[in-house]
Amino acid sequence: DIVLTQSPGTLSLSPGERATLSCRASQSVSSNYLVWYQHKPGQAPRLLIYGASSRATGVPDRFSGSGSGTDFTLTISRLQPEDFAVYYCQQYGNSPYTFGQGTELEIK
Amino acid sequence: QVQLQESGPGLVKPSDTLSLTCDVSDYSITSSYWWGWIRQPPGKGLEWIGYISYSGSTFYNPSLKSRVTMSIDTSKNHFSLKLTSVTAVDTAVYYCARKDRGHWYFDLWGRGALVTVSS
Repeated sequence: DIVLTQSPGTLSLSPGERATLSCRASQSVSSNYLVWYQHKPGQAPRLLIYGASSRATGVPDRFSGSGSGTDFTLTISRLQPEDFAVYYCQQYGNSPYTFGQGTELEIK
Repeated sequence: QVQLQESGPGLVKPSDTLSLTCDVSDYSITSSYWWGWIRQPPGKGLEWIGYISYSGSTFYNPSLKSRVTMSIDTSKNHFSLKLTSVTAVDTAVYYCARKDRGHWYFDLWGRGALVTVSS
């Protein structure tokens, strides 16, 4: 199974700052089939990025994904108050389709 | 807009069968798409459980395959999950979700339902 390791576990930033979240895979992710989800307490997780770098419908352009192979990054260019949440990566290139353990983005 | 809502008992006894249903609103589940389940034990990461297609084909996580059954009920526009022989480690928030048309990720999720396994 591909293990996804997200770092940092918690990221403390202020609105307006730039956030950089990492997702590292234990082996190469086939075809860069990696997504990022945003999850707020009590809400349904929301798809942000698919194919490592394509934004899902309705996702603001301050969210961007990059990376390939084993190293992937989610960048939020200028944090808005509504961006503070937990972020998960998931690979869908090889079954079983595994998730990272999440990065909590909290307000500093 | 399409919405998914999980429902089912919040408490299940050890060795019993966990049963959950996902109601889909504003979309016919037989039209297309695959549907799936994911879970998250308290304080732990997400785990993909499996998928079921609009026609009833299934694709399960090998680690859970021996205990999982998914089904689809077109008359009620919902799909279901059964997990047999549960233990405390099956305590989790269970999410239902819709799989993207072309790839094996989820593009729409429900809010989740907590199921506790305890006597």
